[in-house]
Amino acid sequence: DVKVTQSSRYLVKRTGEKVFLECVQDMDHENMFWYRQDPGLGLRLIYFSYDVKMKEKGDIPEGYSVSREKKERFSLILESASTNQTSMYLCASSRRRSTDTQYFGPGTRLTVL
Amino acid sequence: GNSVTQMEGPVTLSEEAFLTINCTYTATGYPSLFWYVQYPGEGLQLLLKATKADDKGSNKGFEATYRKETTSFHLEKGSVQVSDSAVYFCAFQGQAGTALIFGKGTTLSVSS
Repeated sequence: DVKVTQSSRYLVKRTGEKVFLECVQDMDHENMFWYRQDPGLGLRLIYFSYDVKMKEKGDIPEGYSVSREKKERFSLILESASTNQTSMYLCASSRRRSTDTQYFGPGTRLTVL
Repeated sequence: GNSVTQMEGPVTLSEEAFLTINCTYTATGYPSLFWYVQYPGEGLQLLLKATKADDKGSNKGFEATYRKETTSFHLEKGSVQVSDSAVYFCAFQGQAGTALIFGKGTTLSVSS
């Protein structure tokens, strides 16, 4: 069965902390994505990666970076967390570069105080 | 630019009522279209999809038809259940890109 896991369901951090959100997929997918979900705004793409060590900016990359050292793992990094980064973060993966179903993890609800 | 517009919620229905959630898109080329569902406390799950014009996606009693002439992909279900209460997202994926573009989501609440 398809599986995308995220390291934490809930996370509380303080302003200025460095935050790591981890995502792992076990489907040997090439593509991986990070979205944030906010009420009334839907899902917005932060970064995506279509191969190991490859990354591309999405619509809202400011304040974030990513790392993809292994095919199955895609990390989202908040270099210096701010309160406006309080949100639900969703990771997804897919099999090919385009026009394919994306599989989502359960999400990490991050609160920055 | 590319975008997806779906009807705003919340949508509140009684059990066994008919459901329609409208979705229209703006895109160049021939995108693939999706409906995702998010149950409370969970991530998104694919509900159905259609990859070319006039295709009908269906799953769990839900249906949506890819209408190129009206650039629409409306979600329908003939008889909703309480367990259908969730947030529904319309999305598309262009031929050249990899990421999904999502609508803002529509919250459906079904009462018995």
